[in-house]
Amino acid sequence: AQTVTQSQPEMSVQEAETVTLSCTYDTSENNYYLFWYKQPPSRQMILVIRQEAYKQQNATENRFSVNFQKAAKSFSLKISDSQLGDTAMYFCAFMNPRDNYGQNFVFGPGTRLSVLP
Amino acid sequence: DVKVTQSSRYLVKRTGEKVFLECVQDMDHENMFWYRQDPGLGLRLIYFSYDVKMKEKGDIPEGYSVSREKKERFSLILESASTNQTSMYLCASSYGGTGVNEQFFGPGTRLTVL
Repeated sequence: AQTVTQSQPEMSVQEAETVTLSCTYDTSENNYYLFWYKQPPSRQMILVIRQEAYKQQNATENRFSVNFQKAAKSFSLKISDSQLGDTAMYFCAFMNPRDNYGQNFVFGPGTRLSVLP
Repeated sequence: DVKVTQSSRYLVKRTGEKVFLECVQDMDHENMFWYRQDPGLGLRLIYFSYDVKMKEKGDIPEGYSVSREKKERFSLILESASTNQTSMYLCASSYGGTGVNEQFFGPGTRLTVL
């Protein structure tokens, strides 16, 4: 079974600074997908960014980018120019297309990020 | 704008009560999911459904059942609530086509069982 680890339960960053959230996973699969989801306080969880394992290029979405290291099974999220609205719980998630009709996500325990003014 | 709604944001029930949590999506998605979110454990899948009247067990189905009579609605049922089922419950839905499809989440229901 796949597992996802987020070793930083809580982090904080000053507004406008850069922060990196770490995520590692364990799998014997070669083809899979990785995601970062954001859950703001009292609001719905939304997708931040996704990465296909067969793509070597790191995904980027505006101020959010990932550092995907397939051999090391590492998938970190970098947030540049942090904003107060980035304060949230961040979940790393893994998906194996061959599990459960290809729709079963395995989530990490989450990292609570606080952006300080 | 995509929308997944859950019937209650907060719910307080007594041990032994039968509890229904309702989820509705308006995106015509084939897949629907129920997760449980606990501190330090992340989200754990309870059940999911890939079509009307179809269901599959997730990682922690014990003590729960589900019902999907209509495509847009997915219900989670606690037949006899227990205190260890106090948690945040999240519903999600996704398109059922080929490929990997983003899951859209509801706002969650925080259930307390006394």
